[in-house]
Amino acid sequence: KQEVTQIPAALSVPEGENLVLNCSFTDSAIYNLQWFRQDPGKGLTSLLLIQSSQREQTSGRLNASLDKSSGRSTLYIAASQPGDSATYLCAVRPGVVDKLIFGTGTRLQVFP
Amino acid sequence: GAGVSQSPRYKVAKRGQDVALRCDPISGHVSLFWYQQALGQGPEFLTYFQNEAQLDKSGLPSDRFFAERPEGSVSTLKIQRTQQEDSAVYLCASTERRGAAPDTQYFGPGTRLTVL
Repeated sequence: KQEVTQIPAALSVPEGENLVLNCSFTDSAIYNLQWFRQDPGKGLTSLLLIQSSQREQTSGRLNASLDKSSGRSTLYIAASQPGDSATYLCAVRPGVVDKLIFGTGTRLQVFP
Repeated sequence: GAGVSQSPRYKVAKRGQDVALRCDPISGHVSLFWYQQALGQGPEFLTYFQNEAQLDKSGLPSDRFFAERPEGSVSTLKIQRTQQEDSAVYLCASTERRGAAPDTQYFGPGTRLTVL
């Protein structure tokens, strides 16, 4: 059974710091991996999607890497801003079915 | 519409009541998913539709949970005889599902269900 774990569970940093959020999964047979952002009381916003054949994806200050063989992904946030404060969720899509399997998230707070 | 919409946004039910949660996916999206998110946890898969066909309902926690998408667009998640453990945010997502294109799931704002 695929299990997804995110570390740390919570993180509080001053504005301007570079951050690394970690995601690990137990079964390397995945179709893709997706990073989401969730703001309180709101749905999930997709940040980056990495196909199983890719090693990384970049969007603005965000960079996500994927090491399928070791079952790990990292989300790198450069020059963090207070507006980055949210919960970040990692999700894997297993090879055959379409559902996403989520981690428990990392709650990030960036203070001025 | 511009995105996935869900209604109601908040629902309070007394234990034992039946509830119905609605999801309007992005127009033209073929696939629709329901997830349940307990407080402090990540979303957990409930069920999946491709058009009107329910292809996977392995995540439904009990036979009190029922989902339908009769015309392949709007979907309703029904919970019968609600229990306190049903309290959660129920999220709906849709994907375009065109061939081999990366299929980002677009999520609605969710319905927060509180069972008293």
